[in-house]
Amino acid sequence: NAGVTQTPKFHILKIGQSMTLQCTQDMNHNYMYWYRQDPGMGLKLIYYSVGAGITDKGEVPNGYNVSRSTTEDFPLRLELAAPSQTSVYFCASSYLKNRGRNTEAFFGQGTRLTVV
Amino acid sequence: QQQVKQSPQSLIVQKGGISIINCAYENTAFDYFPWYQQFPGKGPALLIAIRPDVSEKKEGRFTISFNKSAKQFSLHIMDSQPGDSATYFCAARNQAGTALIFGKGTTLSVSS
Repeated sequence: NAGVTQTPKFHILKIGQSMTLQCTQDMNHNYMYWYRQDPGMGLKLIYYSVGAGITDKGEVPNGYNVSRSTTEDFPLRLELAAPSQTSVYFCASSYLKNRGRNTEAFFGQGTRLTVV
Repeated sequence: QQQVKQSPQSLIVQKGGISIINCAYENTAFDYFPWYQQFPGKGPALLIAIRPDVSEKKEGRFTISFNKSAKQFSLHIMDSQPGDSATYFCAARNQAGTALIFGKGTTLSVSS
């Protein structure tokens, strides 16, 4: 059982380039999230999805896009990368049970992205 | 605005001592309060969590105390060990599960 898998683990991107961070989960979770973690700032929610075909903005969505074509995959797209997007990115997933209660959120190992 | 405030930012405790980390929240719609533990180079992992209908939850050496009226909750680590050295995040989630809001984290160092 792999859980939440993120690729790549590390990447260096030049200013203005684009890239996609991959996230896949094998737990059949309906909820998926993207967070970024900056030193001393905790984790900030970028985007989330409550199911295939449904996505919505979190706290810090500017400069990012997401899609959710399948239950398993939730890629995060960076267009026109900027130095401010240098961060560690975490993907997470959870499952909404009956009676509206979610399971805990399971996190991937993270992608460390540097924009130079 | 910061919806979940966490303190202290860093903490040094001797082996065998008690580590205490505090959090305060603003939104009364939050209904789930987890604590996550994160080791360097790893993703956060759930340590212990509580819902607002109880005032305390204990799992081994880890205890959450919850004060609904004060909108505060805290993590107590008893008999702290060097292996507990990590960054700890408190968080709060709304009922729909669409928002898990994190505190800024506390770096705990347990000296042997």
